[in-house]
Amino acid sequence: QVTLKESGPALVKPTQTLTLTCTFSGFSLNTSRMRVSWIRQPPGKALEWLARIDWDNDKFYRGYLRTRLTISKDTSKNQVVLTMTNMNPVDTATYYCARTDYDSGTYWFDSWGQGTLVTVSS
Amino acid sequence: SYDLTQPPSVSVSPGQTASITCSGDKLGDKYVSWYQQKPGQSPLLVIYQDGKRPSGIPERFSGSNSGNTATLTISGTQAMDEADYYCQAWDTSTPVVFGGGTKLTVL
Repeated sequence: QVTLKESGPALVKPTQTLTLTCTFSGFSLNTSRMRVSWIRQPPGKALEWLARIDWDNDKFYRGYLRTRLTISKDTSKNQVVLTMTNMNPVDTATYYCARTDYDSGTYWFDSWGQGTLVTVSS
Repeated sequence: SYDLTQPPSVSVSPGQTASITCSGDKLGDKYVSWYQQKPGQSPLLVIYQDGKRPSGIPERFSGSNSGNTATLTISGTQAMDEADYYCQAWDTSTPVVFGGGTKLTVL
């Protein structure tokens, strides 16, 4: 059974750096073709993909956030970490991690964590 | 950047068929996935690669994709299907894009 769970601060101040951890089980990022993504959802709004890390440590970021995001993995702990610098109130959202599958030139998210709400406010 | 457009809301009577569309330029050339999200819950994958259902998803959920439009169809809609639905595709420019979501009301 695949499970993922996000953890991190519920409240950050503007300009601070956010660090979120995704702890997962039921699969290993040491295994070929395994991938994990981060996706966020502002309150009442749509989903937005942020970043992805692959089993071979390839990393991909949403273009306009590229300079603010860093994704990394600790395979010994079954964890993926996302950092986002210079947080702004518009970054207030529920942040999800999701296992990412791939086939025939497309990706989809087959298992999601419960999400963690991050509020950016002074 | 690549955009996907969904109607904000769709209504359906119980037992009837609900169709939720997702539009994008030459969307039929890409694969589309669909997610169901109930209030306070995480998204749930219901369709991937246009029309494949993950294990555990009822057969009443189906998908198609042609031209500029992908469609999620729910046959024999039940009250439990009331939720927000999001389409998603992969594009080299973005690379992952979600639609704006459609609120399905069963009344």
